[in-house]
Amino acid sequence: KNQVEQSPQSLIILEGKNCTLQCNYTVSPFSNLRWYKQDTGRGPVSLTIMTFSENTKSNGRYTATLDADTKQSSLHITASQLSDSASYICVVSDRGSTLGRLYFGRGTQLTVWP
Amino acid sequence: EADIYQTPRYLVIGTGKKITLECSQTMGHDKMYWYQQDPGMELHLIHYSYGVNSTEKGDLSSESTVSRIRTEHFPLTLESARPSHTSQYLCASSHGHGSYEQYFGPGTRLTVT
Repeated sequence: KNQVEQSPQSLIILEGKNCTLQCNYTVSPFSNLRWYKQDTGRGPVSLTIMTFSENTKSNGRYTATLDADTKQSSLHITASQLSDSASYICVVSDRGSTLGRLYFGRGTQLTVWP
Repeated sequence: EADIYQTPRYLVIGTGKKITLECSQTMGHDKMYWYQQDPGMELHLIHYSYGVNSTEKGDLSSESTVSRIRTEHFPLTLESARPSHTSQYLCASSHGHGSYEQYFGPGTRLTVT
């Protein structure tokens, strides 16, 4: 069964600190993995996309890693800001269907305190 | 900022009412999607469309229906709302499937009393 598991479920950090969010997946055959940021009451916004051959990709203070062998990804946030408070969702796409179906994790709820 | 819009943003209605959630995009995307999301849970695909006059049901069974008469417009209708329909509904669009990014609207928070 294709699944995406994220940890931790929630996380509280102080402003300026770094943090790392984890994503494990069983989706096969794998196409790509995205990290989305979803602010409360808003739709998700894509932060990074990684394909099978990519190990690391950065977008400002966000750095995503991918280990396609162990089927694990992480999202590292550097020097956190209050605006980073949001849910971070790991989304994996398969290439085994015409639709290129997306499998969503439940997200990690990050809260940044001043 | 994605050019995809949803109205209303919030809706509180009584049981048995018919409602339509609007979704429009100005990016010319052929593919459009409706997702349902409960608090702390993953998004579930309930409907998708490959293009005009094309609609398909998603993974999660839903009593809602959709139509795609125009490329830019993908409304979702509930003929008779029930409290079990209370949820957040997110509309998305993409240029293609799979590796193509899906752009999400801001969502409609529906509460059925």
